[in-house]
Amino acid sequence: EAQVTQNPRYLITVTGKKLTVTCSQNMNHEYMSWYRQDPGLGLRQIYYSMNVEVTDKGDVPEGYKVSRKEKRNFPLILESPSPNQTSLYFCASSSTGEGIQETQYFGPGTRLLVL
Amino acid sequence: AQSVTQPDIHITVSEGASLELRCNYSYGATPYLFWYVQSPGQGLQLLLKYFSGDTLVQGIKGFEAEFKRSQSSFNLRKPSVHWSDAAEYFCAVDGTGFQKLVFGTGTRLLVSP
Repeated sequence: EAQVTQNPRYLITVTGKKLTVTCSQNMNHEYMSWYRQDPGLGLRQIYYSMNVEVTDKGDVPEGYKVSRKEKRNFPLILESPSPNQTSLYFCASSSTGEGIQETQYFGPGTRLLVL
Repeated sequence: AQSVTQPDIHITVSEGASLELRCNYSYGATPYLFWYVQSPGQGLQLLLKYFSGDTLVQGIKGFEAEFKRSQSSFNLRKPSVHWSDAAEYFCAVDGTGFQKLVFGTGTRLLVSP
């Protein structure tokens, strides 16, 4: 089954304790992206990756890091989480076709609470 | 800069009644347009998308959307709502063609018996 998986689905942590949220897709997609969803703000892009070893900032990258060492994985790293990073996080992936806008597939979400 | 406006935060519709969710965008050219649905506790599922061509787009679950260039709108419609349609709906645009989606703030649909 084609899917995007995220782990963990729920996480409670404390300020300053490094954490990683994993994202994996089994569709051989080149493009992957992280979003955060906050009430009244919709989804905002954090980082994206066009392919292995190619990443770039989205609209709200502060406080986050990413890496893309393998095509299927795109982990989101919070080096020193703060309470304002409490949010619902989504990973998405899609293929990239020249001149074609491909559909993005979303993972189930990771709900993070930073105390 | 691109922006997407969904003016209705909440909408309540009776089961069986018709539905229209509004979406307006701000962008210099015609962007790629999308509607996603998010059921409680779930990720986002694509309902439909518009790239070019026929301005009336059919999607899954009986939804359709109409692109109106003159109004910069991409409203989502369904002729008869089912209780299972209760969810949050997001309009999104990509003005770059490079997968960068800008989302609206969402409209939560409630379906009354």
